[in-house]
Amino acid sequence: DSGVTQTPKHLITATGQRVTLRCSPRSGDLSVYWYQQSLDQGLQFLIQYYNGEERAKGNILERFSAQQFPDLHSELNLSSLELGDSALYFCASSPGRVTDTQYFGPGTRLTVL
Amino acid sequence: DQQVKQNSPSLSVQEGRISILNCDYTNSMFDYFLWYKKYPAEGPTFLISISSIKDKNEDGRFTVFLNKSAKHLSLHIVPSQPGDSAVYFCAASTHQGGSEKLVFGKGTKLTVNP
Repeated sequence: DSGVTQTPKHLITATGQRVTLRCSPRSGDLSVYWYQQSLDQGLQFLIQYYNGEERAKGNILERFSAQQFPDLHSELNLSSLELGDSALYFCASSPGRVTDTQYFGPGTRLTVL
Repeated sequence: DQQVKQNSPSLSVQEGRISILNCDYTNSMFDYFLWYKKYPAEGPTFLISISSIKDKNEDGRFTVFLNKSAKHLSLHIVPSQPGDSAVYFCAASTHQGGSEKLVFGKGTKLTVNP
């Protein structure tokens, strides 16, 4: 158990809909990262937050957005969903220093029908 | 453009033998490399890392080798155990600018046969 929790575990929705994925980092970690793993793909970095502020952005679509709240939990919002958005979405957390290890949650499996 | 490549989707070895997983990268700005292990229905778990100022890092049965001139790293597992069966991801990052975003390869599925 990494100490990072993600809810829900599974999510099935329809095209055009909007969903919110939630992540609670390990106790004391200030940084939260979001990754997407599509079929046969490695993990793709989406976005990083540090203590409530956006720190780094990857290949995150404009239809996707994220935020980190004062209690440090984070939410990833996916809107106008398309079939191709079906993937595993992982959250990771770390204390926030550049050499800190990132600890991953178990992921949320999103299926868009 | 894939900056981190794991060209072998799968690898099968016998218990007790050596497992060698390979990874190539293209971005010469990468200065920190990691291996993560992933079991089904779980998130990736950090295994071992190496800074670009080193060419070898060892932790128990796991050793990572870095060849900067070839832009190549490898993970050696000796001896391999059935519990090592998992997908192994190579990842790289550059610490410039204070960003810790990791660039992952597509993974190699290791099967260790009893």
